[in-house]
Amino acid sequence: QVQLQESGPGLVKPSETLSLTCTVSYGSINAYYWGWIRQPPGKGLEWIGYISYTGATSYNPSLKSRVTISLDTPNNRFSLRLISVTTADTAVYYCVRVVTGTSNYDYWGQGTLVTVSS
Amino acid sequence: QAALTQPASVSGSPGQSITISCTGTTSDVGAYKYVSWYQQHPGKAPKVMIYDVSNRPSGVSNRFSGSKSGNTASLTISGLQAEDEADYYCTSYTSSGTYVFGTGTKVTVL
Repeated sequence: QVQLQESGPGLVKPSETLSLTCTVSYGSINAYYWGWIRQPPGKGLEWIGYISYTGATSYNPSLKSRVTISLDTPNNRFSLRLISVTTADTAVYYCVRVVTGTSNYDYWGQGTLVTVSS
Repeated sequence: QAALTQPASVSGSPGQSITISCTGTTSDVGAYKYVSWYQQHPGKAPKVMIYDVSNRPSGVSNRFSGSKSGNTASLTISGLQAEDEADYYCTSYTSSGTYVFGTGTKVTVL
């Protein structure tokens, strides 16, 4: 059973950079897409972006200027970097696996709350 | 990209059927078969219930079904059960090569 686990700071200061890593266990990075989705407290889901196993990326247009998703294939993990954060970036961040060629986001991490506050 | 439109809430009695709509545009829902639905219980990660409009992953109850007509996708839950009470989100691939989520629907079992 594939498992995804997010890790990173739970508190980030305004204007600084949010960095999260997702470690994939019991499965390979190869042949799938890997993404990030966030959910502000009490609100709906927001698609951040994803990266293919070949390294191709796609980002939400509203975040594109601030976000980078990267792969670390040898260590079976991938990362999210969001620069110049504001309080509006406070959310639970989920990492997900996407089955290539489908809309099936089949495995999700448990989510990690990142609070942007001074 | 604008969020897909879902009703804020839908309710039904145990055993009844309910349908949740997800309305987009000709640039997302209307253009692609890549529409999926997610169930989220409070404090938990979402779980895929339907992908590619009408495909049900193994392990998901056959009480859940999906369809699409024009720019609107739908999720139907038949034989409503107490455990189905949750938030539901649709998502669709877009012409920009991205995905967009719906606004979310709270399902209440009366």
